[in-house]
Amino acid sequence: GDSVTQMEGPVTLSEEAFLTINCTYTATGYPSLFWYVQYPGEGLQLLLKATKADDKGSNKGFEATYRKETTSFHLEKGSVQVSDSAVYFCALSNNDMRFGAGTRLTVKP
Amino acid sequence: DGGITQSPKYLFRKEGQNVTLSCEQNLNHDAMYWYRQDPGQGLRLIYYSQIVNDFQKGDIAEGYSVSREKKESFPLTVTSAQKNPTAFYLCASRSRDRGRDTYEQYFGPGTRLTVT
Repeated sequence: GDSVTQMEGPVTLSEEAFLTINCTYTATGYPSLFWYVQYPGEGLQLLLKATKADDKGSNKGFEATYRKETTSFHLEKGSVQVSDSAVYFCALSNNDMRFGAGTRLTVKP
Repeated sequence: DGGITQSPKYLFRKEGQNVTLSCEQNLNHDAMYWYRQDPGQGLRLIYYSQIVNDFQKGDIAEGYSVSREKKESFPLTVTSAQKNPTAFYLCASRSRDRGRDTYEQYFGPGTRLTVT
């Protein structure tokens, strides 16, 4: 069945550092891909999405490109802030939705 | 504003009591979902419903029950048979019409249930 594998955390960075959180997937057909963010004590919020190969999703300085050849959708941000500290989930949507295990990011001042 | 509401935000119960968590959406979505999240863990699917009056078990349905009498509402009951009910519960919904949006799930703010 479909599945998502994302980089294990936790990830700790200093403010203004470059962020990459790896995500790879296994799926039949052409799934849509997503990154969600969860702040402490809250639900998941959609951060960005991409629906077809080579699409780049972007929001709030975060970016991810749908790479069908490598079945990947890595999350990147050029300069993280303390307020980016959260748990990030990679997900795919085909007939069903599948989530990765989540990666906790802590950004220190 | 359209969205998903879950109430209450925090819920406390004594062991042996059933408790019902509320989930309401005004997004006109057909499908609704319940997930459980334990500290430091990912999401585990409890139940889902693709349409009114129909629902299916997810990966961890034992000790839980649901109903879907209205499109907008998908309450979850945590029964006394659930061995470890203390957790953060998330409700989600999505459109079944893949042509209408990119088919993502929208989440509520969650309910933190503590059973002692």
